[in-house]
Amino acid sequence: DTAVSQTPKYLVTQMGNDKSIKCEQNLGHDTMYWYKQDSKKFLKIMFSYNNKELIINETVPNRFSPKSPDKAHLNLHINSLELGDSAVYFCASSQGAPTNTGELFFGEGSRLTVL
Amino acid sequence: AQSVAQPEDQVNVAEGNPLTVKCTYSVSGNPYLFWYVQYPNRGLQFLLKYITGDNLVKGSYGFEAEFNKSQTSFHLKKPSALVSDSALYFCAVSSNTNAGKSTFGDGTTLTVKP
Repeated sequence: DTAVSQTPKYLVTQMGNDKSIKCEQNLGHDTMYWYKQDSKKFLKIMFSYNNKELIINETVPNRFSPKSPDKAHLNLHINSLELGDSAVYFCASSQGAPTNTGELFFGEGSRLTVL
Repeated sequence: AQSVAQPEDQVNVAEGNPLTVKCTYSVSGNPYLFWYVQYPNRGLQFLLKYITGDNLVKGSYGFEAEFNKSQTSFHLKKPSALVSDSALYFCAVSSNTNAGKSTFGDGTTLTVKP
């Protein structure tokens, strides 16, 4: 039973389109995250939610909009896709309050390719 | 601001030899330090962490790391490398003052040759 699951695993789309990536965790964690891994494998945090409340919002274009309908789900919607958005997007979760000491549990990633 | 440096893009070792993957950090407050491993086309997997207490922490797959406060380092080690240890390794830091935000290093590719 997958702990952190993301869909879709692969996404190929044209510039200017809008797309969404969904994430669900069954670990009972309070905090969920979106990370972006670029072509050089560098990993950057984008957003974090704790109990459906946005707590971390890095310098990300407002074309990216996270939504957390409940604490087990964190979705990412991207408007007007650009070539530079091509990356692997990882969802993660962790236990405890925002100042937690818990490790991150990552999904398998969603590879987005913008043509 | 917090940061992590992994000074080596690549580490090559022979199977059976000890390995070290280096990590230094900068953070305000008490550091929380983590190591993760990423195999090709997979998500990151947690290996070990230092939060408080004993400076030497042991983790999955025989890995260990030593927290050195004076050198602000948290190097990952293993006494005897396996070919299956070949992967991309990330060091990460957060603290008690940054709302749980983890900052990752740029990663080190470990290659273990038979």
